[in-house]
Amino acid sequence: DSGVTQTPKHLITATGQRVTLRCSPRSGDLSVYWYQQSLDQGLQFLIQYYNGEERAKGNILERFSAQQFPDLHSELNLSSLELGDSALYFCASSVGPGGKGYGYTFGSGTRLTVV
Amino acid sequence: DQQVKQNSPSLSVQEGRISILNCDYTNSMFDYFLWYKKYPAEGPTFLISISSIKDKNEDGRFTVFLNKSAKHLSLHIVPSQPGDSAVYFCAASANLLPGGTSYGKLTFGQGTILTVHP
Repeated sequence: DSGVTQTPKHLITATGQRVTLRCSPRSGDLSVYWYQQSLDQGLQFLIQYYNGEERAKGNILERFSAQQFPDLHSELNLSSLELGDSALYFCASSVGPGGKGYGYTFGSGTRLTVV
Repeated sequence: DQQVKQNSPSLSVQEGRISILNCDYTNSMFDYFLWYKKYPAEGPTFLISISSIKDKNEDGRFTVFLNKSAKHLSLHIVPSQPGDSAVYFCAASANLLPGGTSYGKLTFGQGTILTVHP
């Protein structure tokens, strides 16, 4: 157990639908990062929040949005889902706002399947 | 635009021998490099890192080498063990000031599946 909790572990939904992925960071960590891993692809950075505020943004689609709540958990909302959105979505957390990755702790991921 | 590339999708080695995983990058702004290891049904876990001011970093059986002029890094595992069988991701971080649009972001390669045979 890495200390980063992601729910649900698996999600199957139809095209056009909307889903919410949830992440609880490791205790004491203020930053949350979201990554997407599609088939045969590396992890693609989506977005980072630090202490409730958006800190960095990657190639996140406009159909996707995220937020970090006062209790520091984060949610990634995916709407108007397409088949190509099927992927593993990872959340990671770190203590500080940057950390260059050595302070990242990843969750075990949510596998999203769009049918 | 794949800024971090792992050109070998898979690698198979015998237990006790050396495993060498390679990674190339194109962005000269990268100043910190990391290797992550991933088992099935788990998230990636940090393995070892190296700053761009160094050319080698060692931690037990794991050594990372950085060749900045060639924009190439490699991970050496000696001796390899069956428990090392996993997917290995190379990642890089850019030297940007806090508040920049990419601060805190890691750019990952596609991963290399390492299989160590007993």
